Amino acid sequence: NAGVTQTPKFQVLKTGQSMTLQCAQDMNHEYMSWYRQDPGMGLRLIHYSVGAGITDQGEVPNGYNVSRSTTEDFPLRLLSAAPSQTSVYFCASSYSSDGYGYTFGSGTRLTVV
Amino acid sequence: EDQVTQSPEALRLQEGESSSLNCSYTVSGLRGLFWYRQDPGKGPEFLFTLYSAGEEKEKERLKATLTKKESFLHITAPKPEDSATYLCAVQDIRMDSSYKLIFGSGTRLLVRP
Repeated sequence: NAGVTQTPKFQVLKTGQSMTLQCAQDMNHEYMSWYRQDPGMGLRLIHYSVGAGITDQGEVPNGYNVSRSTTEDFPLRLLSAAPSQTSVYFCASSYSSDGYGYTFGSGTRLTVV
Repeated sequence: EDQVTQSPEALRLQEGESSSLNCSYTVSGLRGLFWYRQDPGKGPEFLFTLYSAGEEKEKERLKATLTKKESFLHITAPKPEDSATYLCAVQDIRMDSSYKLIFGSGTRLLVRP
């Protein structure tokens, strides 16, 4: 089925470990982004990309890296996990530069102990 | 500073009991306001986009309206399957990247049979 696929769905990390959250879309969308969702705080933008080879920082980028080598994939890397990065992470993509038609993945629930 | 506030945080309704959810926002210039539905363990699902004051959009039992300072999501004769968290987001026309959305923390709606 067409859409945004995130893996893994669940992950537990120890403080200081690194990992990559995967995100892939098969809709040929140019725009992709990563959000984190914490209780009572709403979704906050971590990083985004407006096309292959182009990325930029969002509201809460510290501790995360991204790259966009293809239109389909937009992985999010945690460099050295901290308990403050415990959250639910969502990847989203869109064919337009505004929020119309955003498609979100089903999320990755990350716990850092 | 751009801000989105949703109220109430939680709402319990009986099946058939109509009500409204509120989203108030502060932006220098509104490019668009978006409503999403989020089911537990899932990513947000796009519902509506509103661009200018006075605009209305409808989908089944939901109607979204927009003024210069807030948006309402009206739910008419809700059913238990309408139970979800409803998220509001705005896009500021001033932002250097028009792709960024500012989300509210959501309203959790529970409709009892």
